[in-house]
Order: sequence, then structure tokens, then C-alpha cells
Amino acid sequence: DAKTTQPTSMDCAEGRAANLPCNHSTISGNEYVYWYRQIHSQGPQYIIHGLKNNETNEMASLIITEDRKSSTLILPHATLRDTAVYYCIVLGGGADGLTFGKGTHLIIQP
Amino acid sequence: GAVVSQHPSWVICKSGTSVKIECRSLDFQATTMFWYRQFPKQSLMLMATSNEGSKATYEQGVEKDKFLINHASLTLSTLTVTSAHPEDSSFYICSALRTGSSHQPQHFGDGTRLSIL
Repeated sequence: DAKTTQPTSMDCAEGRAANLPCNHSTISGNEYVYWYRQIHSQGPQYIIHGLKNNETNEMASLIITEDRKSSTLILPHATLRDTAVYYCIVLGGGADGLTFGKGTHLIIQP
Repeated sequence: GAVVSQHPSWVICKSGTSVKIECRSLDFQATTMFWYRQFPKQSLMLMATSNEGSKATYEQGVEKDKFLINHASLTLSTLTVTSAHPEDSSFYICSALRTGSSHQPQHFGDGTRLSIL
């Protein structure tokens, strides 16, 4: 699976949009981009995933560049409860385990 | 939907005892489940892949005789830490993949915090 690179930490003001970048320049054609987050002392929570088109659900939006070498997770109106470590993971098809990098520690400031 | 329940949430036991952790998919069938481990201030590390009705596949460096995995039904996988020692103290987390799905997310339990005295 392709390697991802994310900033170590980010701050965002409450109520603002939080934009979390992820670089996956070695992604291959059949690999999807998945985003999970882990709030302290809990199991990871699935957020969103996509292949090449932009995706939106009730939690977030995922913007994937045309060359698919990077993506951005957008939390449209961040709240204090969005403070967590966010993981961007690239994964091909099939039932494979996930490889978690260090992720981005997003801190929402009141 | 897609709820995964993990039990117990935390356990403290003496060195040398065995501990069983259960992972259940409550509202879907899961042919494949995964077990991860997370040490303090580190990311989750995949330990093993559990497939219903067959032997688990362990990641390099994970002792299969120490971490026994059983996946006897489409909704339950168990991890038994045998003869646990203080270095096995960690946060153990399972995830489940809905049967028949491709390119679908894994759904995680809330983890089990294991402390070996």
C-alpha cells in the first residue's frame, strides 16, 4: 500500500472549517484514500473514503486532486469534539489490515 | 449500522494469567476481523487478520502461540493473550469488515485496555 505523509499537528478555531492535508504521491490506480480519526482512549472512527471523485457525507468532505497524489479532508464547522488524531490511509481492494502512520493531531481551539 | 462491540473495556490481572478479549459485530456479518495493538503515544499496529472458519494470519513479530485468535462465527472473534506479562500491557483494538463488501471501511471497537501487574 502507498505511504502517506501528514502534518504532525494542526490548530483550528471552533466553528471554522478544518482542512487536513495528506500526501500520497505513490498511490496506485486501484487504491482508495480512507480517513479515520481516533479520539483519545477510543477506537478509531471511520470518516470517509474515495477513489478519485470528491466525496461528502454527514461528517466531512474529501477532496482528491486530479492526479490523486494528494487529498484534503474538510470538517466544515469544527467543534471541540473534533479534537483527535486524524489518519489518512491508502488501501487497495481486498480484506487487508490498515497501516496507521502518525496521523495529524488536530486541536480545535475555543 | 456497523457497530462493533469489544469486551471487556479494561482488565487488570496478574502476570502469568491468560486474558480473553471478545470482538462482536452487532448488526452485520464479518467474515474478516482484525486485531491491532497500540502502545502509549504510538499508532495502532496490526497484529493479525482473523477469517471466519480458518486460521488467523499473523504479522511479522507477533507470536501466534501467545496471541490466540478464534473466529468461530460471522459475528465473533476472540483474542486470548496467554501467560500475559507486563510487556503485554497495551490497548488492544479489533475491527470488522462487512462480509461481501469491497472497498468498504473497517469498523472498530472501542478497545480493551490491558494492564498486567
